[in-house]
Amino acid sequence: ETGVTQSPTHLIKTRGQQVTLRCSSQSGHNTVSWYQQALGQGPQFIFQYYREEENGRGNFPPRFSGLQFPNYSSELNVNALELDDSALYLCASSRTQGPTQYFGPGTRLLVL
Amino acid sequence: GENVEQHPSTLSVQEGDSAVIKCTYSDSASNYFPWYKQELGKGPQLIIDIRSNVGEKKDQRIAVTLNKTAKHFSLHITETQPEDSAVYFCAARRRANTGNQFYFGTGTSLTVIP
Repeated sequence: ETGVTQSPTHLIKTRGQQVTLRCSSQSGHNTVSWYQQALGQGPQFIFQYYREEENGRGNFPPRFSGLQFPNYSSELNVNALELDDSALYLCASSRTQGPTQYFGPGTRLLVL
Repeated sequence: GENVEQHPSTLSVQEGDSAVIKCTYSDSASNYFPWYKQELGKGPQLIIDIRSNVGEKKDQRIAVTLNKTAKHFSLHITETQPEDSAVYFCAARRRANTGNQFYFGTGTSLTVIP
């Protein structure tokens, strides 16, 4: 059974640019959630995807958007990057909207 | 929305002692409460969880208690070992008409002194 994988591991962007982060869910999991974790803070829920549709969203602006593909992998897109978007972005997968989530190692994004 | 508070922010214990981390939540619609351990450079790892219809759950040296009336839940680690040193997060899952929403505490940095 493969765990949750994310790519890339690290990324540097400049303010105003756009970024796409990728996540492959754990085998047998069809629900994916994305989180932003600033340094020294707890993860902040961005949104969850189930059956290729958004299934819950946290308090993030529309420039944070996502996709889920038929193979349950997912993308997080962030437009018009701001300095405060610098953080560790975590992906977590679970079985059919089940509460038990398993996290990937994260993508560390630095916005300059 | 939900607000999850976690205390203490840092905790140091001697090897073999117990460690207790406490969290409170505000929204009675929250019904699932996981605890995660995060080591440096890694994603959070689920260590134990509890649903709102259960008051206590134990897994070897780790236990979680939930008081729905008071809206608080706690993590108990007994016989601590140096490898327990990490940052621990509590969380609450709230189910809304628009889907699931998850809220995390701010974390507790646990240091187990050999």
